[in-house]
Amino acid sequence: SQQGEEDPQALSIQEGENATMNCSYKTSINNLQWYRQNSGRGLVHLILIRSNEREKHSGRLRVTLDTSKKSSSLLITASRAADTASYFCATDQGSGSARQLTFGSGTQLTVLP
Amino acid sequence: DAGVIQSPRHEVTEMGQEVTLRCKPISGHDYLFWYRQTMMRGLELLIYFNNNVPIDDSGMPEDRFSAKMPNASFSTLKIQPSEPRDSAVYFCASSRGLAGFYNEQFFGPGTRLTVL
Repeated sequence: SQQGEEDPQALSIQEGENATMNCSYKTSINNLQWYRQNSGRGLVHLILIRSNEREKHSGRLRVTLDTSKKSSSLLITASRAADTASYFCATDQGSGSARQLTFGSGTQLTVLP
Repeated sequence: DAGVIQSPRHEVTEMGQEVTLRCKPISGHDYLFWYRQTMMRGLELLIYFNNNVPIDDSGMPEDRFSAKMPNASFSTLKIQPSEPRDSAVYFCASSRGLAGFYNEQFFGPGTRLTVL
């Protein structure tokens, strides 16, 4: 089963609005990452938040992490049509040779002009 | 840097044929990953290498799938014989191992495989 599960599966907003996506996971993590995938393209890394961090910013992106609730959120402020893409959370879990990065099923974001 | 390079970008083949997908990681990256993406199963890790050595191939679906990394700049994923259920987009990704592969992974553009 997927370690990270995004919510909602799909989100449609107007340009200029904020978009919030959530990710929940089940086991402890080393860090959590968010990736974007444009249609027909590979995934692109957006931001990484370590397990001892609670919030991180990068441009219009804000990521929060609540390890007690095993959840993270990605906020995109002042969205643009170019933000239309699928967004995936990925959890880094395990140690040694068992360490791996597991991707969730993604949130499809549509920003309407 | 050109990024992760994959070839071919599209492959259409008939059931039973051998398919070989190719990947050139970013120079200096010592981790290489092969993923498969489908609508039904999402993004699945098939296998990953560290310094050209396969570390975890538990995601390889069955013996029809094999992967090699003969040197630091080249890897192949082979399916023999191919089946229609292998139709998917196959991604190769690489990362720098200094901080472990939990640092960001750089993905190639993918190979869209269709098995008829």
